[in-house]
Amino acid sequence: SQKIEQNSEALNIQEGKTATLTCNYTNYSPAYLQWYRQDPGRGPVFLLLIRENEKEKRKERLKVTFDTTLKQSLFHITASQPADSATYLCALYNQGGKLIFGQGTELSVKP
Amino acid sequence: ETGVTQTPRHLVMGMTNKKSLKCEQHLGHNAMYWYKQSAKKPLELMFVYNFKEQTENNSVPSRFSPECPNSSHLFLHLHTLQPEDSALYLCASSQEGGTSGRHEQYFGPGTRLTVT
Repeated sequence: SQKIEQNSEALNIQEGKTATLTCNYTNYSPAYLQWYRQDPGRGPVFLLLIRENEKEKRKERLKVTFDTTLKQSLFHITASQPADSATYLCALYNQGGKLIFGQGTELSVKP
Repeated sequence: ETGVTQTPRHLVMGMTNKKSLKCEQHLGHNAMYWYKQSAKKPLELMFVYNFKEQTENNSVPSRFSPECPNSSHLFLHLHTLQPEDSALYLCASSQEGGTSGRHEQYFGPGTRLTVT
């Protein structure tokens, strides 16, 4: 079955640096991959969607890459700020058409 | 705040109680979802409704019973729950179909459920 792996360990970085989060998946290669942000006690908020024929997608300080050969997506936040501290979830549609989520990586940006 | 609302935000119930969670979306979407999120675990899809028809029941125990009276409202009826059912229950909606492929989901704030 489809599996998504994100770093379970929290990522701690200094303000102003670039944060890079990793999402690896196994088996079926999805046509779309999504990234969400989740703050404690709240629902996830959609950030970016990238298609299999797009190598890279940008939105303001966010950048997502999608490597279907490596079965990996990287999520970058440049010039990180303490307000970027949250858990970031990777999600993709499996062969059955269901959106499945990774367990998320907690990012902490220190001033 | 998103265009998806959920009530109540917090709920404590005993194992013999019956309660309902409510979700309403104001985005004009045609699909709605219930997810369960337990600590340190990925979001688990429970139910999917597309055009008010249930299209997915992800092997959820019968003590959870969904209801979708129209495309804007979704309920999750709870009865004789177990302590391990304590979790954050999230509702989401999306606009499915069309030619632009898959779409993002919009989540509500969730209901924090504690079963005692």
